[in-house]
Amino acid sequence: AQSVAQPEDQVNVAEGNPLTVKCTYSVSGNPYLFWYVQYPNRGLQFLLKYITGDNLVKGSYGFEAEFNKSQTSFHLKKPSALVSDSALYFCAVRDDSNFNKFYFGSGTKLNVKP
Amino acid sequence: DAMVIQNPRYQVTQFGKPVTLSCSQTLNHNVMYWYQQKSSQAPKLLFHYYDKDFNNEADTPDNFQSRRPNTSFCFLDIRSPGLGDAAMYLCATSKQGDSQPQHFGDGTRLSIL
Repeated sequence: AQSVAQPEDQVNVAEGNPLTVKCTYSVSGNPYLFWYVQYPNRGLQFLLKYITGDNLVKGSYGFEAEFNKSQTSFHLKKPSALVSDSALYFCAVRDDSNFNKFYFGSGTKLNVKP
Repeated sequence: DAMVIQNPRYQVTQFGKPVTLSCSQTLNHNVMYWYQQKSSQAPKLLFHYYDKDFNNEADTPDNFQSRRPNTSFCFLDIRSPGLGDAAMYLCATSKQGDSQPQHFGDGTRLSIL
């Protein structure tokens, strides 16, 4: 069975500092991994995905994620955080046997302080 | 812009009074989803359609039903809402294929009086 885990409920970082939001995954086959961001009273917005290829994936709004197969991790990163990055972040993995299903992590609330 | 639109954004209904939430998409995606999300938790999948093929999650209460009359529209019917059904309901779409992400609407926040 597929799953993702986000070990941190909340991450606090100062504006201008680098940020990392952690995600680990468990899959039986090849991992198809996604990051989404959710602002208050909005839907989830797609940030980036890893399907195959380079381990460093670049996405929207200056975010990137590093795929690490040996550590089964897919951490979201940004070199310099903005106050406007404060939001809820979800990691997701696609189901191996049903390509139309996705499993979400529990979410990490990112707080960027001025 | 192509998008997923949910109406209404806020819905108030009475305990036990049927309510319908709607979702439309201009992306021409063949997969549509309904999720329930409570208090900044992970979205919980209720069901999804692959074209007209309906897929219900095993733990989705019978109180929740869905209709997809055509590619563009999908409805969530809650037959007898209880207080525990107050939540944000998110509609999403995706294109069949292993590399495709989901596209979400902005949700309908349902309150039960």
